[in-house]
Amino acid sequence: NAGVTQTPKFRILKIGQSMTLQCTQDMNHNYMYWYRQDPGMGLKLIYYSVGAGITDKGEVPNGYNVSRSTTEDFPLRLELAAPSQTSVYFCASSYRTGMNTEAFFGQGTRLTVV
Amino acid sequence: QQPVQSPQAVILREGEDAVINCSSSKALYSVHWYRQKHGEAPVFLMILLKGGEQKGHEKISASFNEKKQQSSLYLTASQLSYSGTYFCGTRGGSQGNLIFGKGTKLSVKP
Repeated sequence: NAGVTQTPKFRILKIGQSMTLQCTQDMNHNYMYWYRQDPGMGLKLIYYSVGAGITDKGEVPNGYNVSRSTTEDFPLRLELAAPSQTSVYFCASSYRTGMNTEAFFGQGTRLTVV
Repeated sequence: QQPVQSPQAVILREGEDAVINCSSSKALYSVHWYRQKHGEAPVFLMILLKGGEQKGHEKISASFNEKKQQSSLYLTASQLSYSGTYFCGTRGGSQGNLIFGKGTKLSVKP
């Protein structure tokens, strides 16, 4: 099983550019999440989704957008990249009632904005 | 509200024990524990769903005190492989989103 797959693994963006971080899971999980992790810091929730067509803001949503058109995919869009968005981004998914089941994480996307 | 973890960092010798605490100012319905090794993704350890519940995973176990709104992770007879950053996760809102504490960095030395 592939689990949670994120692409790309690394990316360098210039200030003001836009990009989409891709996340797909093959476990038929309803819940999906996007986190960012800054050096030495914990995981901050950006956006999450409880099912196709439903998304909601997390702790740090500013500067990001998401969509969930299918169960499998949960892309994260960065518009007008800023140096403050330099971080490692993790996508995760869990089955049905998210709090009662483990979350599976992708391998992360390391993004640098210069 | 982000859960609060303590301590921020722990250095152990192989074979020593450690306790990592996780507390919340809001009611806790369940607590997740994950471990992240350097440069890797977080990996699930266990979930505690009920107050008073205790679970074990090899020599790593955890307890959940619902009334005190806290959970503790116990690492006994630590091994080099236990090194990493440990995160606790709790519910952040009504839809079951999952938010994490800042983590506790555990270093086990030979």
